Amino acid sequence: QKEVEQDPGPLSVPEGAIVSLNCTYSNSAFQYFMWYRQYSRKGPELLMYTYSSGNKEDGRFTAQVDKSSKYISLFIRDSQPSDSATYLCAMSDLTTSGTYKYIFGTGTRLKVLA
Amino acid sequence: DVKVTQSSRYLVKRTGEKVFLECVQDMDHENMFWYRQDPGLGLRLIYFSYDVKMKEKGDIPEGYSVSREKKERFSLILESASTNQTSMYLCASSLAGSYTGELFFGEGSRLTVL
Repeated sequence: QKEVEQDPGPLSVPEGAIVSLNCTYSNSAFQYFMWYRQYSRKGPELLMYTYSSGNKEDGRFTAQVDKSSKYISLFIRDSQPSDSATYLCAMSDLTTSGTYKYIFGTGTRLKVLA
Repeated sequence: DVKVTQSSRYLVKRTGEKVFLECVQDMDHENMFWYRQDPGLGLRLIYFSYDVKMKEKGDIPEGYSVSREKKERFSLILESASTNQTSMYLCASSLAGSYTGELFFGEGSRLTVL
C-alpha cells in the first residue's frame, strides 16, 4: 500500500465549477500537508500548506485536513481554464537527521473547459 | 526571483553510459532533493542532502548516487544508465527547518535511455 493515495484523474469540469481534489494517507506521523500545482513541462509549485485539522482558505482555494480520517482535500471555487494543471498533494515526514522530506501523491490532472 | 536551475532539459543516453544531472540553486538553501516523476507513480524521492557533503537515501536510491560539494550545487549520478531510468528528474531545494513544506523545483530534466 502506498503511503499517499491520490486519484490520477483526469478530471474535466466546466468553467465556474467547484472542484474537489482528495488524498488519503496511511502514516499518522505526517505533520504538514501541502498542495502543489504543476503546469505542463514545468516543476511543481507550492499552492497551500496546512498543519492542523480544519480548513484554510486562500482566495478561491480551500485546503481541508481531517487527521482522524487521514484525508485531505483541496477545493477550487469558480474554476478557471488557467487552473488546468496537475495537482499533487504532499506530506512532510521528519527524518532521523532532523530534515523534513516530502512524500507526494501521484497527482490529479485537472482540465477546466471554457 | 528565486531559482533552481537544472543544467539539461532533455538528454538522450545509451544503456551503460554514466550520466550526470546537475542542479544549482541561488537561494542559499540548506536542503536539496532529487525526485523522479513517472506517470501513475508521481514524484518519488531518490536522494536528499541537508548540508554540504551530507546525504540521505530516499525511497528509490538504487542505481543512483549524489554529490554535494558546494551548498548551491547538487548532482545526481547514474553510474550505468539503464532503460528503466528513463524518466523526468526534478531537483528541489528548501530552507532548513522549513515547516511550510515549500520546495522550490527546477523545470526538470527529461532523460531517455536507449
